[in-house]
Amino acid sequence: QKEVEQNSGPLSVPEGAIASLNCTYSDRGSQSFFWYRQYSGKSPELIMFIYSNGDKEDGRFTAQLNKASQYVSLLIRDSQPSDSATYLCAVFGAKTSYDKVIFGPGTSLSVIP
Amino acid sequence: EPEVTQTPSHQVTQMGQEVILRCVPISNHLYFYWYRQILGQKVEFLVSFYNNEISEKSEIFDDQFSVERPDGSNFTLKIRSTKLEDSAMYFCASSARGNEQFFGPGTRLTVL
Repeated sequence: QKEVEQNSGPLSVPEGAIASLNCTYSDRGSQSFFWYRQYSGKSPELIMFIYSNGDKEDGRFTAQLNKASQYVSLLIRDSQPSDSATYLCAVFGAKTSYDKVIFGPGTSLSVIP
Repeated sequence: EPEVTQTPSHQVTQMGQEVILRCVPISNHLYFYWYRQILGQKVEFLVSFYNNEISEKSEIFDDQFSVERPDGSNFTLKIRSTKLEDSAMYFCASSARGNEQFFGPGTRLTVL
């Protein structure tokens, strides 16, 4: 079973719409969850992190965590063409290790003007 | 805003040669990491480093790899005898408290 899974996409949304990105993880011991954005040819850029069940909002971004379902999501409101990138879900504390981050394969998002 | 820096941005080497990739983490950070990303694939954890020792490493990080913090600012990744399959983007990251990690721009390693 893959440790962190994401739909590869591409996910296409029109400008101004809400983009919804999903991630599931296999290890119930996972403690911390991160969303990174990666533009083509660039390094991952941290945009959100969440540690507790529920929602966490930061500007146009909302992260949602449900540990019982082993599910984390990222909502991007009022999507802009500049949001077009690959979004990486990363899980920390997998396999009971607190020094190892496991990345998902990423979901490619395309925001259409 | 402080950032992680990496040098060189692109390294070309011959198979079997040693390479050293260099990173300068954010100055007050205590946790350091190396990741690699083969073109078109996901980001893969290599190693984490805290308190001057390796705290975790992946199965990728075999005897050909080593890390060092030779002084108070640099963090290096050495690959002793490069293979074709080592060609990838190598990212250094650092963290203040061992949670949120901030990535450098990466070094593209090409092994010929």
